[in-house]
Amino acid sequence: EAGVAQSPRYKIIEKRQSVAFWCNPISGHATLYWYQQILGQGPKLLIQFQNNGVVDDSQLPKDRFSAERLKGVDSTLKIQPAKLEDSAVYLCASSLGLAQTYEQYFGPGTRLTVT
Amino acid sequence: GQQLNQSPQSMFIQEGEDVSMNCTSSSIFNTWLWYKQDPGEGPVLLIALYKAGELTSNGRLTAQFGITRKDSFLNISASIPSDVGIYFCAGPNQAGTALIFGKGTTLSVSS
Repeated sequence: EAGVAQSPRYKIIEKRQSVAFWCNPISGHATLYWYQQILGQGPKLLIQFQNNGVVDDSQLPKDRFSAERLKGVDSTLKIQPAKLEDSAVYLCASSLGLAQTYEQYFGPGTRLTVT
Repeated sequence: GQQLNQSPQSMFIQEGEDVSMNCTSSSIFNTWLWYKQDPGEGPVLLIALYKAGELTSNGRLTAQFGITRKDSFLNISASIPSDVGIYFCAGPNQAGTALIFGKGTTLSVSS
């Protein structure tokens, strides 16, 4: 069974530029999560989808971050414009459904550096 | 808000030693999870605990769900070099729909 795929693995941009990350969850997983992991911290949930609907985006900085999961499979997370404090690893995870939220499978992450 | 506090922040041990780390919260949790994150990878679920007082093992790893439901412990016996990584505790958010994580315990093992 293929795991959660993410791309790119690394990205370096200047502040005020925009960037997009892509995630392909495990086949059949209805719930998809985007986390931000700042160095030295645990992952922090940014947004959660159930199929193509948003379940929780309360911690997403909506003035600069956006995410979509149009067909209920792949998802993209965008930052526009980026700030220095956005430097972090962006992790995508998926689970079978909301009832299986405790069994999340994580992708390898995208390490973003904003200079 | 809900917060998970992990200690110690880091550990340096010799191969073969046993390791113990813990996670505490001021809030009650109904589920405790322990994840391990290797460098450059996402976290991987090690053990899930669903009942107060529960003791669960996964190979050389043993985790316990504290009786007060405000803490959990993870023990690793006879550590080996591949145990190196960051260990996170996690629990459900108030809505029960996603996870919140502690800051992690970084484990280093010298052979």
